Amino acid sequence: EVQLLESGGGLVQPGGSQRLSCAASGFTFSSYGMIWVRQAPGKGPEWVSAITGNGGGTYYADSVKGRFTISRDNSENTLFLQMNSLRAEDTAVYFCAKLASSSNTEYWGQGTLVTVSS
Amino acid sequence: QPVVTQSPSASASLGSSVKLTCTLSSRHSRYIIAWHQQQSGEAPRFLMNLESSGSYNKGSGVPDRFSGSSSGADRYLVISNLQFEDEADYYCETWDTNTRVFGGGTKLTVL
Repeated sequence: EVQLLESGGGLVQPGGSQRLSCAASGFTFSSYGMIWVRQAPGKGPEWVSAITGNGGGTYYADSVKGRFTISRDNSENTLFLQMNSLRAEDTAVYFCAKLASSSNTEYWGQGTLVTVSS
Repeated sequence: QPVVTQSPSASASLGSSVKLTCTLSSRHSRYIIAWHQQQSGEAPRFLMNLESSGSYNKGSGVPDRFSGSSSGADRYLVISNLQFEDEADYYCETWDTNTRVFGGGTKLTVL
């Protein structure tokens, strides 16, 4: 059974940093691309970032480019999202998700809430 | 980059059928999409991916009541024999080499 468990959310001040983690199990982690998706209160999902299975390719939404960094540790089956220069509009539940071989989002974690506020 | 558009709301009666629509931007009319269901307070759940041909592949455990079809730039999610537990937000997703987009979602109410 595929399981994705996010951690690292919480309250952070504007301009601050936060690092999210996603522990994966139930599949061969290094064989699949992974993404981060966020969902602001009352809004639809917004893609944030993606990384290829071997970590060699990374992609970002324009809204976070230059501020967020996605990475992965395939030896520990863990996905990360380093978020710097956080803004109020970054407040959202952040989900990690596994991509299928066909590139669609296939499995979602339960999410972790990041609140950016003074 | 591709754009996907959804109607904000839909409603149908218990036991009936409903067809939700996701429309791709014209330049991207042959793209594959995925449908996701999000019940209140929960994480989204993958339902199926759907090709321009109308061929679809469902996720693990998705009931037979859920099916998909396509016509031009439109991708449909059809739910038959509606149940109260089908009341949820439904999002479509598509992707390109360097990006991924979600629709604004359709809130389905089961009457």
